[in-house]
Amino acid sequence: QKEVEQDPGPLSVPEGAIVSLNCTYSNSAFQYFMWYRQYSRKGPELLMYTYSSGNKEDGRFTAQVDKSSKYISLFIRDSQPSDSATYLCAMTGDTDKLIFGTGTRLQVFP
Amino acid sequence: NAGVMQNPRHLVRRRGQEARLRCSPMKGHSHVYWYRQLPEEGLKFMVYLQKENIIDESGMPKERFSAEFPKEGPSILRIQQVVRGDSAAYFCASSTSGGRNQPQHFGDGTRLSIL
Repeated sequence: QKEVEQDPGPLSVPEGAIVSLNCTYSNSAFQYFMWYRQYSRKGPELLMYTYSSGNKEDGRFTAQVDKSSKYISLFIRDSQPSDSATYLCAMTGDTDKLIFGTGTRLQVFP
Repeated sequence: NAGVMQNPRHLVRRRGQEARLRCSPMKGHSHVYWYRQLPEEGLKFMVYLQKENIIDESGMPKERFSAEFPKEGPSILRIQQVVRGDSAAYFCASSTSGGRNQPQHFGDGTRLSIL
């Protein structure tokens, strides 16, 4: 079993939809949770960074962490075609190395 | 450009040759991390370095791979005697200091192709 599980998609939604992206994990030591966005042939770009359980909002993006269920989510409101990319969850606990999910491909069509 | 700089962006090598990948961290960052991304897989940690020190190399293959971050100049990931299975995208990230509360920022990677 992988430490971090993420549905690879692709997820295809119309412009303006609310998008929900999720990851589950097995290591209860994870405390720091990140979401990165990666466009084709580019590097991961940090979108959201949260510590422990709770919600964090930044513009159209909301990150949620539920440590009791070992489940994290990223919500994108009013999705735009420019949001079309691969979204990677990442997490770490007692080391400095990030453990990544495999990424979910999102396509937002006009 | 204040971002993490990686070069070359694309590198082609024949089996048995050496590959050298360079990474200059963001201004003010003194911690560097290398990750490898294989097709259809997530990024996998390879090594974590500070200036002149390897902090964690638990993700590095035991043979042919080495990394350094000298006092002056970029961090180098070196792959000797490359094989087809080394073909991947190699990403470098940097942070201001170590610790889990410091976010890592990534460069655009070097895409290594082995003929």
